Amino acid sequence: GESVGLHLPTLSVQEGDNSIINCAYSNSASDYFIWYKQESGKGPQFIIDIRSNMDKRQGQRVTVLLNKTVKHLSLQIAATQPGDSAVYFCAENRGNTPLVFGKGTRLSVIA
Amino acid sequence: NAGVTQTPKFRILKIGQSMTLQCTQDMNHNYMYWYRQDPGMGLKLIYYSVGAGITDKGEVPNGYNVSRSTTEDFPLRLELAAPSQTSVYFCASRPRADTQYFGPGTRLTVL
Repeated sequence: GESVGLHLPTLSVQEGDNSIINCAYSNSASDYFIWYKQESGKGPQFIIDIRSNMDKRQGQRVTVLLNKTVKHLSLQIAATQPGDSAVYFCAENRGNTPLVFGKGTRLSVIA
Repeated sequence: NAGVTQTPKFRILKIGQSMTLQCTQDMNHNYMYWYRQDPGMGLKLIYYSVGAGITDKGEVPNGYNVSRSTTEDFPLRLELAAPSQTSVYFCASRPRADTQYFGPGTRLTVL
């Protein structure tokens, strides 16, 4: 069936290094993608989004890349900091239907 | 704006008891959602609403009920609490075809 998933369930990176979190989606009709960050004991927090007419979008220290050819989404975090430690979820949207969330990747930053 | 607010933050129920989880948003969003998140897992959609008076089942609706009498409020009702309903419950809202904003969550334990 159609799904949004993540390649890696856990990711450990050294403080200061760049992090890359990946996500695969299977529905070419998806037109909107979002990355969320969830810290322990808190609700998911919006990080960055991208629409299907774009390949790349940059925020503060974060970049989202969308490769529609292989149906792949990635979140890049520059100069990873201890405060970036969290679970990261990708989500896809098809029109006005509910978001479909991936299983999540836990990012652990090693000081 | 307060965004999405949820009450209570924590609750312990005995098997068979009932309760209502409250969710309110002050952003005038049409769409509202209820998710549950089990420990170490992703988000599962319970119910959602595309506007006042309209609700739809999500992935895991059994054991829950919702109503949407106003744009602002979207309460979730548990009629006969079971241990399998022990989870963290998140409410979310969004405007049409845009990102979702999550509340802080309600941690529910059923003993």
